[in-house]
Amino acid sequence: DIVMTQSPDSLAVSLGERATINCKSSQSVFYSSNNKNYLAWYQQKPRQPPKLLIFWASTRESGVPDRFSGSGSATDFTLTISSLQAEDVAVYYCQQYYTTPYTFGQGTKLEIK
Amino acid sequence: QLQLQESGPGLVKPSETLSLTCTVSGGSISTTTYYWGWIRQPPGKGLEWIGNIYYSGSTYYNPSLRSRVTMSVDTSKNQFSLKLNSVTAADTAVYYCVRRDYPGDNAPFGDWGQGTLVIVSS
Repeated sequence: DIVMTQSPDSLAVSLGERATINCKSSQSVFYSSNNKNYLAWYQQKPRQPPKLLIFWASTRESGVPDRFSGSGSATDFTLTISSLQAEDVAVYYCQQYYTTPYTFGQGTKLEIK
Repeated sequence: QLQLQESGPGLVKPSETLSLTCTVSGGSISTTTYYWGWIRQPPGKGLEWIGNIYYSGSTYYNPSLRSRVTMSVDTSKNQFSLKLNSVTAADTAVYYCVRRDYPGDNAPFGDWGQGTLVIVSS
């Protein structure tokens, strides 16, 4: 199985400041034949299901604010929130869909400082 | 807009079978460009993919659960189902039904049900 490891486990950022969450996969999730990274980011607010934010490592899902961005390739990825808003308080998960079993990171809890 | 809704018992006894159904509305479960699936989340913990099923009935399961999992689809009711047998307390979790695209390739999970908590306890 591909192990997904996120860092940090929790993060406190001031409103309006940048938040950065990292995700590392135990093997590459980049497929050279189509030049795509099979990596997604989800946001889960309390008592809600996860919501897809970003796929192919850097493509925002429709309706996701542009303060959310994804970057990285192969085994190292980053989710950045450029200017933290109160509604961004949540747990964030990365997920690889390169191969089954699909696996998730352990989650990063983002709070307001 | 596609919606998914889980249903089933919220309490299951150890060693028995957990059975859940997901009802799809706002779209057809027979859409050839969708896969359907289940993901679970133990209380306060992370996410675990259980498996996926296509409208034709073809399945693939997480190897860690394969020996205990069965998924099925009922196109006449626009539903798909999960059975997990020989449950233990470790199977206590919120169970989500999900949809992902199938553009002839793997894809992330774009739609999620609200989730249903299943507690395994005598």
